[in-house]
Amino acid sequence: EVQLLESGGGLVQPGGSLRLSCVASGFTFNNYAIHWVRQAPGKGLEWVSLVRGRGGSSDYADSVKGRFTVSRDNSKNTLFLQMNSLRVEDTATYYCAKDKSGVDGLIYYYMDAWGKGTTVAVSS
Amino acid sequence: QSVLTQPPSVSGAPGQRVTISCTGSGSNIGAGYDVHWYQQLPGTAPKLLIYATDNRPSGVPDRFSGSRSGTSASLAITGLQAEDEADYYCQSYDSSLNVVFGGGTKLTVL
Repeated sequence: EVQLLESGGGLVQPGGSLRLSCVASGFTFNNYAIHWVRQAPGKGLEWVSLVRGRGGSSDYADSVKGRFTVSRDNSKNTLFLQMNSLRVEDTATYYCAKDKSGVDGLIYYYMDAWGKGTTVAVSS
Repeated sequence: QSVLTQPPSVSGAPGQRVTISCTGSGSNIGAGYDVHWYQQLPGTAPKLLIYATDNRPSGVPDRFSGSRSGTSASLAITGLQAEDEADYYCQSYDSSLNVVFGGGTKLTVL
């Protein structure tokens, strides 16, 4: 069974930093791209970033580009989201989600499994 | 303002059919990129409901179906049940913005 478990959320002041983790199990982690998607309280889903399984290259939404960095440790089946220069508008539940992906590394750009999320609150 | 436009809410009585629209543009749905749908039950994480326009993952009832035309897509739910009350999101790929979501539609079962 595919499982994703996020952690690392919490309360941080504006301008601060936080590092989220996502531990995966039930699939060959390094074969799959993984997304971060966030949801502000009472709002819709917003895509944040994607890190590819092979090579680990990444993409970011304009709203977080230059502030957030995604990385992965394939030896530990773990994905990280380093969030710097946090803003009040970054307050959200952050989900990691597995891309459908292909065995050949092709990215399908949709999510077939989601974690339960971790909550980040940015406030003074 | 979301790149993909959905109605904020829809409603229907048990047993009825409802549809949720998702309108994009020439850089996403209109460019031929796949459309996917997610269901988010209250207090839970989103779940993949429909992928690549009209495909259902294992375990999703055939009461749920998808379609697309031009720059739009639709999700249809037939035989509405109380357990279908949830938020529904469409999602696609945009040639400029990468992954994009609709703003979400709250389905109320009357």
